[in-house]
Amino acid sequence: EVQLLESGGGLVQPGGSLRVSCAASGFTFTSYAMTWVRQAPGKGLDWVSALSGSGDNTYYADSVEGRFTISRDNSKNTLYLQMNSLRAEDTAVYYCARARKNPSGWYRINDYWGQGTLVTVSS
Amino acid sequence: AIQLTQSPSSLSASVGDRVTITCRANQGISSALAWYQQKPGKTPKLLIYDASSLESGVPSRFSGSGSGTDFTLTISSLQPEDFATYYCQQFNSYPLTFGPGTKVDIK
Repeated sequence: EVQLLESGGGLVQPGGSLRVSCAASGFTFTSYAMTWVRQAPGKGLDWVSALSGSGDNTYYADSVEGRFTISRDNSKNTLYLQMNSLRAEDTAVYYCARARKNPSGWYRINDYWGQGTLVTVSS
Repeated sequence: AIQLTQSPSSLSASVGDRVTITCRANQGISSALAWYQQKPGKTPKLLIYDASSLESGVPSRFSGSGSGTDFTLTISSLQPEDFATYYCQQFNSYPLTFGPGTKVDIK
């Protein structure tokens, strides 16, 4: 059974840093790209970042480029999101999602999602 | 970044109704579109990928169509468990983007 378990959320002051993690199990971690998607309270889904299975290729939303860093430790089956220079508008539930391949060979189909971890940026 | 719009933003429907939700991209994305369902307090669930491919385990009353810039999600006969918010997502190019969502509630 595929499982994704996020952790590391919490309250942080504006300008601060936080690292959230996603522990994966039930599948061959290195065979899939991974994604972070966030959702502010009462709002819609907001794609944040993605990382290839090897960790060689990273992608970011314009709103987090230069502030957030996605990474993975394939020996621990864990995905990370390091968030720096946090702003109030970064307050959201952060979901990790597995990205599988479609027939075109793109690892961009988010088929399994974790339950999310809440990050609150406030003074 | 590619922008997606959805219409309507919300709708009220009855059990058994046929429901259609539209997603429009501001530039062509071929068939690189997915649809997700999200119920309150729950995680998103993949329904459709590649614009019209039904995800395994998803009821056949859900269907998707379209290519280029205009896409639709259709629920042929709305069931009580279908009341939720639906999001489209383009995966043609990074950064990937979601539509703003369409909330389907009970009339």
